[in-house]
Amino acid sequence: EVQLVESGGGLVQSGGSLRLSCVASGFAFSSYSMHWVRQAPGEGLEWVSYITLSSTTVYYADSVKGRFTISRDNAKNSLFLQMNRLRAEDTAVYYCARGNGNYEYWGQGTLVTVSS
Amino acid sequence: EIVLTQSPATLSLSPGERATLSCRASQSVNNYLAWYQHRPGQAPRLLIYDASNRATGIPTRFSGSGSGTDFTLTISSLEPEDFAVYYCQQRSNWPPLTFGGGTKVEIK
Repeated sequence: EVQLVESGGGLVQSGGSLRLSCVASGFAFSSYSMHWVRQAPGEGLEWVSYITLSSTTVYYADSVKGRFTISRDNAKNSLFLQMNRLRAEDTAVYYCARGNGNYEYWGQGTLVTVSS
Repeated sequence: EIVLTQSPATLSLSPGERATLSCRASQSVNNYLAWYQHRPGQAPRLLIYDASNRATGIPTRFSGSGSGTDFTLTISSLEPEDFAVYYCQQRSNWPPLTFGGGTKVEIK
């Protein structure tokens, strides 16, 4: 069974940092590109970042470019999102998702709250 | 950036009724349009990909149609578990991948 389990969310002050993790199981993690998607309270879904199989290509939404860094460790079946210089508007549930642009598998999400 | 506009924002229907949700793109996305169902507290669920293909395990009451800039998700007969928020999403021209603003299907 495919599973994606996020962790690392929490309450942080504006300007602070957090590192999110997503541990994958039930599939060959190193064979899939991965994404982070978020949902702010009361809002819709927003794509955040993308990383290819071997980390050679990464993309970011303009809203997080220069502040967030996506990475992965294929040996540990893990995806990461380093979030720096956090802002109130980064408050959201963050999901990791597997896919090439269609997300068939998602984690349950981890909540990040940025207090101003 | 391709903007996706969903309508209506809210759809009030009764179980057993037919639901028709619309998604319009600011430019052609060819057929690279997906639909997701999102229930509170759960992960989003892929329903339809490439405009009209049902994802694995999705009931046949869900169907997608359209091409270019205009797309429709139809739920032929609403079940109680279908009351949720639905999002369209394009992967034709990215980054960024973009989602529509969502349509909430609520119980009338």
